Amino acid sequence: KNEVEQSPQNLTAQEGEFITINCSYSVGISALHWLQQHPGGGIVSLFMLSSGKKKHGRLIATINIQEKHSSLHITASHPRDSAVYICAVPHFGNEKLTFGTGTRLTIIP
Amino acid sequence: ETGVTQTPRHLVMGMTNKKSLKCEQHLGHNAMYWYKQSAKKPLELMFVYSLEERVENNSVPSRFSPECPNSSHLFLHLHTLQPEDSALYLCASSQGYGYQETQYFGPGTRLLVL
Repeated sequence: KNEVEQSPQNLTAQEGEFITINCSYSVGISALHWLQQHPGGGIVSLFMLSSGKKKHGRLIATINIQEKHSSLHITASHPRDSAVYICAVPHFGNEKLTFGTGTRLTIIP
Repeated sequence: ETGVTQTPRHLVMGMTNKKSLKCEQHLGHNAMYWYKQSAKKPLELMFVYSLEERVENNSVPSRFSPECPNSSHLFLHLHTLQPEDSALYLCASSQGYGYQETQYFGPGTRLLVL
């Protein structure tokens, strides 16, 4: 069982919809990363958070350390948001990151 | 552009070939990473170098051999690969080595082993 689970695996929505992507993890952590991978492969780091909430433009990431859960929200979604969104957590007591399998988001105009 | 470049972008090789993947970062970072991304599988860390010293070697077969000649360059030497090694190979760099560091990724090399 992967230590990092993402849901849904695939998500298709209409332009303008509010999007939520979830990440659950089974080990205790002190930080979590959200990344975006565009078609073609390039990956961009979106957020690193260890508590509460962070916002960047239309993207909002939240984390609940006690419940071992994080969400990534996109407001006013746009076709250019179509990508795979990946969460990653460090191994406990280790600097390495374990990655989820990703959520493939498609925004239809 | 993230400041991390990879060459070649695409590579087709036979199982008996020897090839090398190159990564260069222009960010002044001290840590560099190799990742493998196979279809429908999570990113897998292969190697990490911090200050030109290898700090992680994630049980990678010896047919993959990394080299970090300086803090800006990272190579992955490939020899006698198997078809299951076909994947996207991503390089990344970060200012330091640690789980809180933001990693900057290159565009990847898509490798096909025939």
